[in-house]
Amino acid sequence: QKEVEQDPGPLSVPEGAIVSLNCTYSNSAFQYFMWYRQYSRKGPELLMYTYSSGNKEDGRFTAQVDKSSKYISLFIRDSQPSDSATYLCAMKQEGGKLIFGQGTELSVKP
Amino acid sequence: NAGVMQNPRHLVRRRGQEARLRCSPMKGHSHVYWYRQLPEEGLKFMVYLQKENIIDESGMPKERFSAEFPKEGPSILRIQQVVRGDSAAYFCASSPPGRGALNEQFFGPGTRLTVL
Repeated sequence: QKEVEQDPGPLSVPEGAIVSLNCTYSNSAFQYFMWYRQYSRKGPELLMYTYSSGNKEDGRFTAQVDKSSKYISLFIRDSQPSDSATYLCAMKQEGGKLIFGQGTELSVKP
Repeated sequence: NAGVMQNPRHLVRRRGQEARLRCSPMKGHSHVYWYRQLPEEGLKFMVYLQKENIIDESGMPKERFSAEFPKEGPSILRIQQVVRGDSAAYFCASSPPGRGALNEQFFGPGTRLTVL
């Protein structure tokens, strides 16, 4: 069993839709949770960073963490074609090593 | 403020040759991490270094791979006697010192290694 599970998609939505991306994990020692966005043939870009259960909002993006269920989500409101990318969840314990999900490929159609 | 820089961006090697990948962290960052992304897979941690020290190499293959981050100059990921299975995108990330477990990692554009 992988430590972090993420549906690879692809996920295709119309412009303006609400997008929900999810990851589950098995290691209860994970304390820090991140979402990265990766455009084709580029490096990952940090979108959201949380370290507690609950919601964190930044513009059109909301990150949600439920430690009791070992489940994290990223919601994108009013999705735009420019949001088309691969979204990677990542998490870690104390220390530097990030454990990534497989990534979900998102396509937002105009 | 320049971001994380990696070079070369693309590298082609024949089986049995050596590959050297370079990473210059963001200004003021003293922690460097290397990750590998195989086709259709997520990023996998390889090694975590601070200046002149390897902190965690639990993701490094036992043979042919080595990494260093000298006091001066970029971090180097070295792959000896490359094989076709080493073909992947290799990403470097850096983070600042002194922030402990909350260090945010900023990624470079990656080096795409192709082994013929």
